[in-house]
Amino acid sequence: DAGITQSPRHKVTETGTPVTLRCHQTENHRYMYWYRQDPGHGLRLIHYSYGVKDTDKGEVSDGYSVSRSKTEDFLLTLESATSSQTSVYFCAISDSRQGETYEQYFGPGTRLTVT
Amino acid sequence: AQKITQTQPGMFVQEKEAVTLDCTYDTSDQSYGLFWYKQPSSGEMIFLIYQGSYDEQNATEGRYSLNFQKARKSANLVISASQLGDSAMYFCAMRGSNFGNEKLTFGTGTRLTIIP
Repeated sequence: DAGITQSPRHKVTETGTPVTLRCHQTENHRYMYWYRQDPGHGLRLIHYSYGVKDTDKGEVSDGYSVSRSKTEDFLLTLESATSSQTSVYFCAISDSRQGETYEQYFGPGTRLTVT
Repeated sequence: AQKITQTQPGMFVQEKEAVTLDCTYDTSDQSYGLFWYKQPSSGEMIFLIYQGSYDEQNATEGRYSLNFQKARKSANLVISASQLGDSAMYFCAMRGSNFGNEKLTFGTGTRLTIIP
């Protein structure tokens, strides 16, 4: 199994509070991603990173920011949590060799509830 | 823009039968990749199989095969001899051709239930 951990695994927070989710990998993969999973929507990309300090927005980035100061860590921050951000959050990693991209490996997920 | 469509929200299949999960895609990229993931009730995402757009042969991984029809823009997952442990959500996903931008677009998934 790919070495990806997410913390916390579960969190309940109140509307308006800041929340940071952490993704940690031991695979030295270049690319890291944050997705959210909601019923009827599958997984949707929030932000991704293609290297240390190199990040970009996904399709549902409003209300989220990210940072990657080390290869192994990718942080997702909700500056002021809202009830619409209640979701399951997945981190994923991938790497590419010889121009071919290999599959993304996913972390175990974080269930976030905003009350 | 890329789009993945999975038209079967749920399927029920008798154990030991083969099952086909449908996936169609839309992209203007000439080079792309297609993936299938399994999500059991425990919640983790498990990679099953990958097909590159220039691969001439359909991908196979054990009991999983990908029926890739490029002209029809379809990438159906076939599971042979289904087992109770195959009961799960299945997601089709695609990535585009822009290297350095490896993000995936997912479909909404199909919930497969295997009946004993």
